[in-house]
Amino acid sequence: EADIYQTPRYLVIGTGKKITLECSQTMGHDKMYWYQQDPGMELHLIHYSYGVNSTEKGDLSSESTVSRIRTEHFPLTLESARPSHTSQYLCASSTGTGDSGELFFGEGSRLTVL
Amino acid sequence: GQNIDQPTEMTATEGAIVQINCTYQTSGFNGLFWYQQHAGEAPTFLSYNVLDGLEEKGRFSSFLSRSKGYSYLLLKELQMKDSASYLCAVKDSNYQLIWGAGTKLIIKP
Repeated sequence: EADIYQTPRYLVIGTGKKITLECSQTMGHDKMYWYQQDPGMELHLIHYSYGVNSTEKGDLSSESTVSRIRTEHFPLTLESARPSHTSQYLCASSTGTGDSGELFFGEGSRLTVL
Repeated sequence: GQNIDQPTEMTATEGAIVQINCTYQTSGFNGLFWYQQHAGEAPTFLSYNVLDGLEEKGRFSSFLSRSKGYSYLLLKELQMKDSASYLCAVKDSNYQLIWGAGTKLIIKP
């Protein structure tokens, strides 16, 4: 059973608000990822990190930021939420030690922006 | 561009066998993954193929042909709990995962 946690699970906010989605893992994994997933659609990579103080942008990164100050923590921040940000956000981690790189996912944060 | 194709939806009967196909066109190849995702839940890892051939794991098997850019996931002795979406993903030359949109599998009694 994976030990990766996301909060909040559900969030409804108004346009223009700043929000932070939290993600923590207790497996000591170096690699962490944020994905966005809409129903029936593929996962889109937003940001990823290969270790502390290392962050990279994915395909949908332009409207969000991340930080990796500690190995176990990888929060995602939207500075000004818009209705187009309404989606499911999935955090994942992997060992990244040259193996298959199996991803362990959190339960997700479902965001609705009004 | 990079592309992963899999059927949108499939229906099968409890106790039967179903094969879910995935074709891919990516810049390089460093492995293919199958994940299972129940409605409203996170994806969970099923299998990983990096060499050609069949990998068997209980009721689930995954096949890869790198020359054809093709994989399938075979589910045997289907159970109602197998109703889920099955996601195919390929790790490209930059070791980034390219995801398919998933195949929704509906199991009928």
